[in-house]
Amino acid sequence: EPEVTQTPSHQVTQMGQEVILRCVPISNHLYFYWYRQILGQKVEFLVSFYNNEISEKSEIFDDQFSVERPDGSNFTLKIRSTKLEDSAMYFCASTLGQGRSYNSPLHFGNGTRLTVT
Amino acid sequence: GESVGLHLPTLSVQEGDNSIINCAYSNSASDYFIWYKQESGKGPQFIIDIRSNMDKRQGQRVTVLLNKTVKHLSLQIAATQPGDSAVYFCAENRADGGFKTIFGAGTRLFVKA
Repeated sequence: EPEVTQTPSHQVTQMGQEVILRCVPISNHLYFYWYRQILGQKVEFLVSFYNNEISEKSEIFDDQFSVERPDGSNFTLKIRSTKLEDSAMYFCASTLGQGRSYNSPLHFGNGTRLTVT
Repeated sequence: GESVGLHLPTLSVQEGDNSIINCAYSNSASDYFIWYKQESGKGPQFIIDIRSNMDKRQGQRVTVLLNKTVKHLSLQIAATQPGDSAVYFCAENRADGGFKTIFGAGTRLFVKA
């Protein structure tokens, strides 16, 4: 069964450094997402991406965050200048359809654990 | 505002018993609901979904019930097994076409052998 893959599984970085988290969504999916989960807490929406542009973003997704689909397979999340509070699990997800006309469940990767020291 | 939450943070059941995990949502505009299972060190995994034009949907050992009158969603797991131990999240999509799925707080299910 096709799956969403994320790399690296664990990233340690110093405060103020830039990090790029990488994801390969399921190949025929059209909608891409980043979520984060602080230890023991709920899964928080960051951003959705469709047709090569951001569809929706949360308050968490400020100017320090950006997403990109540099080619036909990768989907990246960049944090420009990391803060201690950015430490969390970051999950990439994809789905075939979402919206008024067609909904389908998200398929998640196993996440990247980001530790900011 | 929009929120999806859970009544109980933990649930402990005996192996072989049935489990019921509950969820309350507040957004009347939501029209699609999903249950996810998250095992330690993994991403959320889709279990079952239901659209707002239905009140019940069954899968293999799992059933989702939707009560739109009281904005309540439940997940029933039949004959709970040790492998069912995980955190379970309910989630919702809004009917206004928003491109996001909102997650509830999660319930941790413990299965006692």
